[in-house]
Amino acid sequence: ETGVTQTPRHLVMGMTNKKSLKCEQHLGHNAMYWYKQSAKKPLELMFVYSLEERVENNSVPSRFSPECPNSSHLFLHLHTLQPEDSALYLCASSQERGLGYEQFFGPGTRLTVL
Amino acid sequence: TQLLEQSPQFLSIQEGENLTVYCNSSSVFSSLQWYRQEPGEGPVLLVTVVTGGEVKKLKRLTFQFGDARKDSSLHITAAQTGDTGLYLCAGVTGGFKTIFGAGTRLFVKA
Repeated sequence: ETGVTQTPRHLVMGMTNKKSLKCEQHLGHNAMYWYKQSAKKPLELMFVYSLEERVENNSVPSRFSPECPNSSHLFLHLHTLQPEDSALYLCASSQERGLGYEQFFGPGTRLTVL
Repeated sequence: TQLLEQSPQFLSIQEGENLTVYCNSSSVFSSLQWYRQEPGEGPVLLVTVVTGGEVKKLKRLTFQFGDARKDSSLHITAAQTGDTGLYLCAGVTGGFKTIFGAGTRLFVKA
């Protein structure tokens, strides 16, 4: 049990659909992250929220829209996605910043865009 | 652009063998982490190394951080089938940014 849950675990959507991914952390952390993991590629950091404010946005297309209503919940809203957006989307949390801080990952949402 | 290169990309060995995987970069990192990811799960942190030249041991796993804090290695002694998984190295820069390598996929055969 990692303390970070993600729903749904699997999602298949068409390019015209709108869906949302949900992440919840039960660890009392104050930073949350969205990563994209594609086969044979490094994890790509998408967004970082610290104390519910977005502090990193790594040139992610606007069809991905994050939302952090409080320090325990993080959403990724999806609309008009492309087939190349199919990947494993991982949520993580950590306690503050600093040397060697540990990120706790959720199990991910496997997204397939048709 | 900061990059972390991991080698090999894939490794298939027999139970009981030793192995080493490498993580290299041209960038200096504040610290370096190793994670293991199993199918259907997110990565789980194994170790963090902070000081150049540091060596950490976790049972049969030995982690080393290069003197210049640009590279790292993971050595597994007498591999077991339970060691099968994707091993990711991650370089921690200032702030919240962590740079991940593409991973080494290890398969240990019984």
